[in-house]
Amino acid sequence: GAVVSQHPSRVICKSGTSVKIECRSLDFQATTMFWYRQFPKQSLMLMATSNEGSKATYEQGVEKDKFLINHASLTLSTLTVTSAHPEDSSFYICSAPDKGATNIQYFGAGTRLSVL
Amino acid sequence: AQSVTQPDIHITVSEGASLELRCNYSYGATPYLFWYVQSPGQGLQLLLKYFSGDTLVQGIKGFEAEFKRSQSSFNLRKPSVHWSDAAEYFCAVGVAAGNKLTFGGGTRVLVKP
Repeated sequence: GAVVSQHPSRVICKSGTSVKIECRSLDFQATTMFWYRQFPKQSLMLMATSNEGSKATYEQGVEKDKFLINHASLTLSTLTVTSAHPEDSSFYICSAPDKGATNIQYFGAGTRLSVL
Repeated sequence: AQSVTQPDIHITVSEGASLELRCNYSYGATPYLFWYVQSPGQGLQLLLKYFSGDTLVQGIKGFEAEFKRSQSSFNLRKPSVHWSDAAEYFCAVGVAAGNKLTFGGGTRVLVKP
């Protein structure tokens, strides 16, 4: 099946620094990608929809200036957590639908962010 | 807006026993329904999906699910669980294929030897 690669798998950073997470569709083109956040023992909550060549669409309550999304190509979307604080510590997961084939969403392996 | 409810937070089952995970959704039109499995610290793997057609769908790893429109349910079943089935299971609904998903709260499955 299709593969979505997410990098890094784990990152530890100091409070106030910025962290970039990459999400790549390896064998299909993704004009849309989705970014989810998952707190421990909780479900996935959609943060934003990343659109290739245009601005991302953010869910209500998600700060667009804090969670910067760039979808510069048909295979890459990035999420940058700016001025990270301990409360931003979470598991971030991206997904991409393979619209050209199955229309199924494929998920990355996730990024565990720990802000000290 | 659509919503998904998974009534059971935890389920403990003996190895070899059957398993059923409940999922109820709320959506006005025909939903696109999914079951995903997540191992600790990992991403999500698709077990099966329902878009249309036969309401009993077969998935990977011996799982199946049945769409019941009258009950707004999409329950997941497996006749005989294996220790490797211990994981978190998420039911999700989308308004269209390839669109963003709304997830249920998840059900954690523990398998006893």
